Amino acid sequence: AQRVTQPEKLLSVFKGAPVELKCNYSYSGSPELFWYVQYSRQRLQLLLRHISRESIKGFTADLNKGETSFHLKKPFAQEEDSAMYYCALSGVSGSEKLVFGKGTKLTVNP
Amino acid sequence: KAGVTQTPRYLIKTRGQQVTLSCSPISGHRSVSWYQQTPGQGLQFLFEYFSETQRNKGNFPGRFSGRQFSNSRSEMNVSTLELGDSALYLCASSLEGWGTDTQYFGPGTRLTVL
Repeated sequence: AQRVTQPEKLLSVFKGAPVELKCNYSYSGSPELFWYVQYSRQRLQLLLRHISRESIKGFTADLNKGETSFHLKKPFAQEEDSAMYYCALSGVSGSEKLVFGKGTKLTVNP
Repeated sequence: KAGVTQTPRYLIKTRGQQVTLSCSPISGHRSVSWYQQTPGQGLQFLFEYFSETQRNKGNFPGRFSGRQFSNSRSEMNVSTLELGDSALYLCASSLEGWGTDTQYFGPGTRLTVL
């Protein structure tokens, strides 16, 4: 069964500190992994996806197939990073739905 | 390009009633997916439409249905509303609906069932 687990509901760090949001997945096949972000009073939007290997707003995420993880990292958190972060997966072949984790609320304190 | 739009933004209904929500995708996008978001269950996939056909369906009862029109606009309908249907309903569009496509989300419709 497809499943995405984000073990932390809440995460609080200070500005300038490193941040890591954890994501583990279960999928029988080759998944496409995503991180979506929802800032206060804004719509859900794509932050990054593993296939593009980009760094967006200083965030990176590496797919670790051995550990079935796709943790999101940023070396120096900023206050504007405070938001709800969702890890999601889909299959790479055919039309597949997005399966979301329950989300982690990140708060970056000044 | 205009983003995904959803109407109405807020709805209040009573148990037993039915409701129709509307979604207009980004121009050129042919796939529309619907998700239910609740505090307890998070984001759950309802169904996906492509070229006026339901291509994927989540684990929701038959009271939840949808359709897509030739211009890719989509509607979802919930009949015989229950209190547990109170949620934020999100619509997302993508070019072709493949797993590798980026999905663009609308602002959602907040449904409250009394």
